[in-house]
Formats: sequence, structure tokens, C-alpha cells
Amino acid sequence: DAKTTQPTSMDCAEGRAANLPCNHSTISGNEYVYWYRQIHSQGPQYIIHGLKNNETNEMASLIITEDRKSSTLILPHATLRDTAVYYCIVSENAGGTSYGKLTFGQGTILTVHP
Amino acid sequence: NAGVTQTPKFRVLKTGQSMTLLCAQDMNHEYMYWYRQDPGMGLRLIHYSVGEGTTAKGEVPDGYNVSRLKKQNFLLGLESAAPSQTSVYFCASNRALLVPEQYFGPGTRLTVT
Repeated sequence: DAKTTQPTSMDCAEGRAANLPCNHSTISGNEYVYWYRQIHSQGPQYIIHGLKNNETNEMASLIITEDRKSSTLILPHATLRDTAVYYCIVSENAGGTSYGKLTFGQGTILTVHP
Repeated sequence: NAGVTQTPKFRVLKTGQSMTLLCAQDMNHEYMYWYRQDPGMGLRLIHYSVGEGTTAKGEVPDGYNVSRLKKQNFLLGLESAAPSQTSVYFCASNRALLVPEQYFGPGTRLTVT
């Protein structure tokens, strides 16, 4: 699986958009970009994933650059409850030999402050 | 649905003792995973299973064994616990490779003294 690079930490004001970047310059054509988050002491929670196109769901938006070498997770209106570690993960989906396993890096600690 | 549950939530073991961590899911998922998370680090895959009766090694399998006798349960065993196995253990499951979302349990905090 391709390696990802994320900033160690970021801050965001409550109510503002949080934009979390991720570099994955060695991503291959069949690898997806996944985002998970882990709120303190809890199990990770799936947020969103994408291959080429931008994606949006009720939690967040995912913007993937045209060359797919980087992406940005956007939380449109951050709340205090969004304070967590955010993991950007690159992994194969169906048909790959990774059997759906996820390789977690150290992620970005996002702190949302009042 | 309870989702993914883990038993126990906390445990303290002495070096050399054995124990089994239980993961149960009620979503009829095929794939199940055991991860460990050490302080300040991301999760690392220990073992995984792609269906009932199957298991496979992950990234850090040494010192652990697993079994998947029933589809809904995935057991992680420590035969002779060592202080290096002090960690938080998370279980996860997903329905199939075409479904990207993994569901995680709440974790088991294990301390080996």
C-alpha cells in the first residue's frame, strides 16, 4: 500500500471549515483514499473514501487532486466533537491481495476550539 | 444491532499468563481483523480472517494466535503474555471487500506487568 504523509496537528475554530491535507504521491491506479478518525480512547470511525472523483457525504467532503497524489478532507462546519485524530489511508479495494486491511499512520490531531 | 463488541474492556496480566480476547459482531460480516495500538501510534494489524474457519497473519502476528470457529466471533489469544504486548487492542469487521467501511469495536486495554 502507498505511504501517506499528514501534518502532525492542526487547529480549527468551531463553526469554521477544517481542511485536512494528505500526500500520497506513490498511490497506484487501483488504490483508494480512505479517511478514518479516532476520538480519544474509542475505536476508529470511517468517514469517507474515494478513487478519483470528489466525494461528499453527511460527515465530510473529500477532494482528490487530478494526479491523485494528494487529497483534502473537509469538515464543513467543525464542532468540538470533531476533535480527534484523523487518518488518511491508501488501500486497495476488492480484488487486491490486501484483503481489505488498513494501514494506519500516525494521523493528524485536529483540535477544534471554541 | 450492537455492532462490534469486545470482551473484556480492561485486563491486567502478569508476564507469562495467558488470556483470550473475544470479538463479536452481529452484522453477518465476512471479514474480521485484530489491530493493536500503542501510545501515540497508529493501529497495526495483528491477524485477520476472510471468513469462518480462515485466519491469516497481519503485520505483527508474533506472540498471538487467532481462531474464527463461528462467523460472528474472532478470538485473539496470548499464550504467554509479555510486557511488550501492553497495548489497546481493537477488533474490526467489514461485510466484503467491495464495501469499504470497517466497523471497529470499543477496544480492550491490556496491561502486562
